[in-house]
Amino acid sequence: GAGVSQSPSNKVTEKGKDVELRCDPISGHTALYWYRQSLGQGLEFLIYFQGNSAPDKSGLPSDRFSAERTGGSVSTLTIQRTQQEDSAVYLCASSLSYSSYNEQFFGPGTRLTVL
Amino acid sequence: AQSVTQLDSHVSVSEGTPVLLRCNYSSSYSPSLFWYVQHPNKGLQLLLKYTSAATLVKGINGFEAEFKKSETSFHLTKPSAHMSDAAEYFCVVSDLGNAGNNRKLIWGLGTSLAVNP
Repeated sequence: GAGVSQSPSNKVTEKGKDVELRCDPISGHTALYWYRQSLGQGLEFLIYFQGNSAPDKSGLPSDRFSAERTGGSVSTLTIQRTQQEDSAVYLCASSLSYSSYNEQFFGPGTRLTVL
Repeated sequence: AQSVTQLDSHVSVSEGTPVLLRCNYSSSYSPSLFWYVQHPNKGLQLLLKYTSAATLVKGINGFEAEFKKSETSFHLTKPSAHMSDAAEYFCVVSDLGNAGNNRKLIWGLGTSLAVNP
């Protein structure tokens, strides 16, 4: 079956603009995760969804970042007034449910470059 | 608070020799531990996971890891490296201490494995 897909694969934007990143999880996966991977850094956990609910938003770097998930499926991560330090690869993953035992399946990522 | 330390940022081995990628963790409770691999221009893939069953965990591509509670370690090993093993490897810990919405996966910074012919 289809894996996790993300769009766009690459996004170049100007400082101050808003961007929207999209994630399509594997069908039937109720948990969805957003991560950020900066050059030379590990993965930084941003937020997760169980269904449409995001119980823990404390990983979001600032109030310019927001995420939503509708219908228990597609999720969008929105970054308002982008800054150069937002440049990174944004990864989405999904799993059957939010549990430590469940393997997370990752999408290919969206490479964001803020000029 | 839980944390993960990958002791080597870069490891270089010759093809056919053993691989050892080191990971130490800190966790207040019984952790779940994972190793993920990221090949160039490919997505992250689960190699193996420890979830309080057998302490020696076997994964894909001949990799295995041993959970040592006394040493708080979860080192990744492979007896004989292959060229295709060259990739970035991440050690991950999930703390089960706080149920519900406070559980997070904490990722190490990664170890870049180079395999020389």
